[in-house]
Amino acid sequence: NAGVTQTPKFQVLKTGQSMTLQCAQDMNHEYMSWYRQDPGMGLRLIHYSVGAGITDQGEVPNGYNVSRSTTEDFPLRLLSAAPSQTSVYFCASIQGNTGELFFGEGSRLTVL
Amino acid sequence: GDSVTQMEGPVTLSEEAFLTINCTYTATGYPSLFWYVQYPGEGLQLLLKATKADDKGSNKGFEATYRKETTSFHLEKGSVQVSDSAVYFCALSDQSNTGKLIFGQGTTLQVKP
Repeated sequence: NAGVTQTPKFQVLKTGQSMTLQCAQDMNHEYMSWYRQDPGMGLRLIHYSVGAGITDQGEVPNGYNVSRSTTEDFPLRLLSAAPSQTSVYFCASIQGNTGELFFGEGSRLTVL
Repeated sequence: GDSVTQMEGPVTLSEEAFLTINCTYTATGYPSLFWYVQYPGEGLQLLLKATKADDKGSNKGFEATYRKETTSFHLEKGSVQVSDSAVYFCALSDQSNTGKLIFGQGTTLQVKP
């Protein structure tokens, strides 16, 4: 039962570097989303997707890009990392008929 | 816009104590309400949910009732265990079910033996 798989679990970047956080789900869920978790601020929605080929912005999209070429995969790209993007990132897929989110284990990113 | 406010933590209790974590929300329409739990080093997992007014969600001894009149969804447990130590998040979603959950800031619970 893989569920939602995120890689890498840990990453350290220098300011200005780019990287992609990978997310894959094997539950055939149409809806997927990316959140960031910061101390005292809960989880904030970065981008979401309601199906392959369809993405939209969440609450804090600046500095991030996403694409959804398949139902299974929903990568998050940081084009030019900034220290303000130091955070823990969670990918989630959602079971459409219940509204329940299934989260990956998280990716801890540090930008120096 | 929609928002969720949780009581600030950390909350420290002795084993077998009664737990209440307050959650209030502001939303248009009739959102679904959720409690998620995050154990150390893990992602979030659904604890319980309620989809309409007066519904009671329950799981693992935890309960929460959707109170529209007070816009609240307080989490309760009659007797906590050390294994309940975690961060608890209250959240709401609109009826589109597109993964757009609005989360509270989280409340850390520490249960001591």
